[in-house]
Amino acid sequence: QLQLQESGAGLVEPSETLSLTCTISGDSIVSSGHNWGWVRQAPGKGLEWIGSIYHSGSTYYNPSLKSRVTISVDTSKNQVSLKMTSMTAADTAVYLCGRTIRGVVGVFDIWGQGTVVSVSS
Amino acid sequence: DIQMTQSPSSVSASVGDRVTITCRASRGISGWLAWYQKKPGKAPKLLLYPASTLQSGVPSRFSGSGSGTDFTLTISSLQPEDFATYYCQQANSFPYNFGRGTKLEIK
Repeated sequence: QLQLQESGAGLVEPSETLSLTCTISGDSIVSSGHNWGWVRQAPGKGLEWIGSIYHSGSTYYNPSLKSRVTISVDTSKNQVSLKMTSMTAADTAVYLCGRTIRGVVGVFDIWGQGTVVSVSS
Repeated sequence: DIQMTQSPSSVSASVGDRVTITCRASRGISGWLAWYQKKPGKAPKLLLYPASTLQSGVPSRFSGSGSGTDFTLTISSLQPEDFATYYCQQANSFPYNFGRGTKLEIK
């Protein structure tokens, strides 16, 4: 059964860099043919697509975040990672990783449970 | 960017009611629209994609329609587990923006 599990620092200081990892079990990033990506939800707000990646390394980013975001894959560990620089309080959110529908970059059919990230000194 | 506008922002209904939620895109997206259900503390659940295609395992009381700029999600007979927030998302062009959500509450 496919499972995704986010991990990483839950508290980040302003101006620092967020690093999150999504570990995939029950499917192979390389052979699945799916894209993988990240979405976030700030407190009391809606969902925001951050970006997606294919196992080949092709990436797709939300232009509003592109200058601060890097999504990468580690095929040996079957993981997808998110790095976001220059964090501010506005980046406080639940961050979710997901698998996209095959052939579609940003529509997610399987999700992790999400990880809470707070930006505060 | 394509902006997605959902209405209403919240709706109160009773078990057994029929509920319709609308989503409007700021420009045409053909049928490239997804609908999700989101409950507090839970991951979103993909209900339909493209606009009228029910995902595997989703009850048939959920249905979607529309193309171009105007879309609807209909729940034919509300069940207790359906009370949640519903989001639309366009998948026509980057960035894949979501609507602001429609909160479905128990009357």
